[in-house]
Amino acid sequence: EIVLTQSPGTLSLSPGERATLSCRASQSFYSSNLAWFQVKPGQAPRLLIYAASSRATGIPDRFSGSGSGTDFTLTITKLEPEDFAVYYCHQYNISPLTFGGGTKVEI
Amino acid sequence: QVQLQESGPGLVKPSETLSLTCTVSGDSINIGSYHWSWIRQPAGKGLEWIGRVQTSGDTIYNPSLKSRVTISVDTSKSQFSLKLSSVTAADTAVYYCARGLRLWGQGTMVTVSS
Repeated sequence: EIVLTQSPGTLSLSPGERATLSCRASQSFYSSNLAWFQVKPGQAPRLLIYAASSRATGIPDRFSGSGSGTDFTLTITKLEPEDFAVYYCHQYNISPLTFGGGTKVEI
Repeated sequence: QVQLQESGPGLVKPSETLSLTCTVSGDSINIGSYHWSWIRQPAGKGLEWIGRVQTSGDTIYNPSLKSRVTISVDTSKSQFSLKLSSVTAADTAVYYCARGLRLWGQGTMVTVSS
């Protein structure tokens, strides 16, 4: 099983600041199968990034993904108030599909 | 507009079987070669992938749940279903159905309690 470790667990920032979220995999895998989700209380997860760096439809360009091998990054430039949420990375390359433990971006 | 909607009992007794259905509306479940998945999230915890089915009936399950899980598809009803047997309090969670990565249901809370 590929274990995804996200860091930091919590990121305390202000609107307008830049957020850098890390996701490290326990083993290398085909990086095209790495996604990032945003989760808010009471809402379904929202796909932000797929294939490590491709933005999903309708996602603002302040969200970007990068990385390969075992290290992946989600960057949010200029945080908006609606960006404060929990973010999960997800590998869909090797079964069992796995999620990271999440990073909470808080004000 | 394609939508997914989970349905099923919100309360299940310990040792019984949790049964949920995901209804696909706005498009045929047969269109495309999507993976139809179940994912859950216990309160205050992260997301856990349960398993997935294709319209061919092929399934893949999370090994941690494999002995208790059955996911099936009914293309005539545009539905796919989850059955989780011998539930315990640890199975209390919000359960989501999803099509691929992009399309998710709103989720349904299932509590395991006597």
